[in-house]
Amino acid sequence: AQSVAQPEDQVNVAEGNPLTVKCTYSVSGNPYLFWYVQYPNRGLQFLLKYITGDNLVKGSYGFEAEFNKSQTSFHLKKPSALVSDSALYFCAVFSGGYNKLIFGAGTRLAVHP
Amino acid sequence: KAGVTQTPRYLIKTRGQQVTLSCSPISGHRSVSWYQQTPGQGLQFLFEYFSETQRNKGNFPGRFSGRQFSNSRSEMNVSTLELGDSALYLCASSLQVASYNEQFFGPGTRLTVL
Repeated sequence: AQSVAQPEDQVNVAEGNPLTVKCTYSVSGNPYLFWYVQYPNRGLQFLLKYITGDNLVKGSYGFEAEFNKSQTSFHLKKPSALVSDSALYFCAVFSGGYNKLIFGAGTRLAVHP
Repeated sequence: KAGVTQTPRYLIKTRGQQVTLSCSPISGHRSVSWYQQTPGQGLQFLFEYFSETQRNKGNFPGRFSGRQFSNSRSEMNVSTLELGDSALYLCASSLQVASYNEQFFGPGTRLTVL
């Protein structure tokens, strides 16, 4: 079955500290992986994607993600968190078998001053 | 360049009614996808349209339908509304088919079914 897991419902980080939001996936074939962020009462915004190539992908707002094929993971990271990073983060994988984007349940990131 | 727009932003309907939601993609984008977002089920894919053709459909009953016009604008229709249809409906557009292309989301239409 094609799926995406975000094991943490919420991640709490102090401002200025590094943050990690975890994502693992299960998909047949080569995965196309994405991270999106959702602010309150807004649609989703694209952060970054991995299609092929370098396992470390850099995206918007200082975020980056590392693709790990052996661990089937695509964790989102940022060296220094900002209060304004507080939002709902979604990991997603495009499943060629189902021809659609499959989203994880989302992780709420709370950055405290 | 204007973003994805969705109308209306909020909608209240009663059970048994039908509803039509509209989505205008970013200019030049040919793919429009629809998603349902609920607290319990998260984000679920409804369908994708590309060049006026439905490319794929998620696991939703036939009460959910859509179409895309020649200008890439898309509409989604839900007939015989049920309480469980209350959700945020998100539309997303991309230049080409939504595979490795990032999608640009609209603000959503919040549908409440009473």
